[in-house]
Amino acid sequence: EADIYQTPRYLVIGTGKKITLECSQTMGHDKMYWYQQDPGMELHLIHYSYGVNSTEKGDLSSESTVSRIRTEHFPLTLESARPSHTSQYLCASSEPANYGYTFGSGTRLTVV
Amino acid sequence: KNEVEQSPQNLTAQEGEFITINCSYSVGISALHWLQQHPGGGIVSLFMLSSGKKKHGRLIATINIQEKHSSLHITASHPRDSAVYICAVSDGSQGNLIFGKGTKLSVKP
Repeated sequence: EADIYQTPRYLVIGTGKKITLECSQTMGHDKMYWYQQDPGMELHLIHYSYGVNSTEKGDLSSESTVSRIRTEHFPLTLESARPSHTSQYLCASSEPANYGYTFGSGTRLTVV
Repeated sequence: KNEVEQSPQNLTAQEGEFITINCSYSVGISALHWLQQHPGGGIVSLFMLSSGKKKHGRLIATINIQEKHSSLHITASHPRDSAVYICAVSDGSQGNLIFGKGTKLSVKP
């Protein structure tokens, strides 16, 4: 039973389109994260949030943006998708003191 | 050099074998996590350790803080254990996870 939900699961979209990847969690976690993972490679942190109205950039530079208007919702937006954005995007949240991470099922994005 | 190193990168085992995956790290940590990623892409948290040993079913995770090393053991392996196993550490500052590259395990019937 997933407590963190990502939609869509798969997305194929044309170059130049604006897209928003959705992430919602029902656990009341303050800290949330977005990771990018290319096939066969490790996860890289692209954005995180300490709570409402907090957003921070991660270790990997990304052209995407995020927002955190509600505790449970942490959407990621690409204003103009490019083939280089093709990747898997995973959302996660964690309990206080960064223990107990929960991951979503991921969104596999293909930009053609 | 990566801050979190896992070995082996790939591992093939026969059903029933005892499996060990190793993780070494070079940074100060507040906790170490073992994660499992199936081909569909979703990630499940298996263990979070800050010291000692934890056991859940056929899975055992150990950590040696002094040596900066952790191991994940699978007893009586089964084809359904086939997945990528990822070691990740929470650093001491912002607490974000630093990931290893993962170990791809394939258990043959």
